[in-house]
Order: sequence, then C-alpha cells, then structure tokens
Amino acid sequence: QKEVEQNSGPLSVPEGAIASLNCTYSDRGSQSFFWYRQYSGKSPELIMSIYSNGDKEDGRFTAQLNKASQYVSLLIRDSQPSDSATYLCAGDMNRDDKIIFGKGTRLHILP
Amino acid sequence: DVKVTQSSRYLVKRTGEKVFLECVQDMDHENMFWYRQDPGLGLRLIYFSYDVKMKEKGDIPEGYSVSREKKERFSLILESASTNQTSMYLCASSFLEGTGGAYEQYFGPGTRLTVT
Repeated sequence: QKEVEQNSGPLSVPEGAIASLNCTYSDRGSQSFFWYRQYSGKSPELIMSIYSNGDKEDGRFTAQLNKASQYVSLLIRDSQPSDSATYLCAGDMNRDDKIIFGKGTRLHILP
Repeated sequence: DVKVTQSSRYLVKRTGEKVFLECVQDMDHENMFWYRQDPGLGLRLIYFSYDVKMKEKGDIPEGYSVSREKKERFSLILESASTNQTSMYLCASSFLEGTGGAYEQYFGPGTRLTVT
C-alpha cells in the first residue's frame, strides 16, 4: 500500500520560533512532493512543491526533500499565530498525475 | 490566479436522492479530481479525469459516478445518496504531467454534504 505518513500532532510552537513538520513516504520512485495548508472548515491551499533533493525556500517557508531517506519536511520560520492550521504532505507515489495525501499535522502557534 | 469553483458550499439531501456536485476551473487544466475528506481518514480520491469524456476510478469510487463533457467542468454524481456519503467533497485540478509524476493540484472551496 502506497502511503504518505505524518505525525498527527498537535505540534505546539511558540510565536517567532521555527516550526518543523515532517513526512515520510513509501514509494521510492516518487518524483513530486507538495505541502498544503488547511484551515479548519476550509479547503487545502498549496504552499510549496518540491521535485529535487535539497532545499527550496519561499519567504518564511523552506521545503526539504531527501529521496534516499524518503522524507520531506517543511520549516516555517518566524512562526505567526496565523500559521496555526493543519499541514498536509502529499506525493505522487508514482501514480501518474494522482497524488496521495498524508492525514496532516495540526500545528498550533502559541502567542 | 488559479480559480476552481464548486456549485454549493453546503448541501442537505435526503437518503435515496440523486445528487449532483459541479466543479469548474478556469486554468485550462487537463486533470480534474474529486476527493472526499473525513476526520481521521484524510483526503481520499473518488474519481479522476485527464481529458474530456475520460475518467478513471480513484481509491473509493463505489456509489459515485462522474461526467466531464467540457474541459473546464467536472461533475460528481451520487446516484442514490446514503448517510455514509455525508462528507466534505473537494474538487481539484492540475496540468497533465504524463511521465509518472504529478503537478500541483489546486482545490475549490469544498461542498459540505449532509445526507439525512
């Protein structure tokens, strides 16, 4: 069974600190990975996509991909209360345009 | 900006009714998807379409059908709604990648369907 796994949390982080979210995946042939943010009652919103090993930075967000170890992470610098949400990791799992989502990690930024 | 719209934000239907959920995207994406999201189960793919009139079953297609007559529009049909189909339904779209990987999917606002 192809899977994307995340710790469900909640992960509590003080305001201004770095939040680190992690995700592992089962299919070594996967090429594409995504991080989405989902506020309660809302739909997922794309934050970052990453396709190559290494780091990709966009503002306060950095996605990291390590294909050898089959993990993806998302760092959020200078965390704000508005970052409190559920973060979904997703990967293609070699499924031809379809992606599999993890169940999400709930992040709580403490003011 | 990518825009994906869904016909209703909230819908209440009775058991046995036929239900239509519609989704429209304005980015000329080849791929369109229907998911349902339930607490503890995450996002699960119901159906996928990669072209007009083309469809592919996802992970949980039972009890659902789809229609894609135009590139921008993808409909999900519940032939005879049941209480276990009460859920949040999310439509998404993306460009076709075609070599085994995938491009970013963009989601509509969702339809919260309650079947009583």
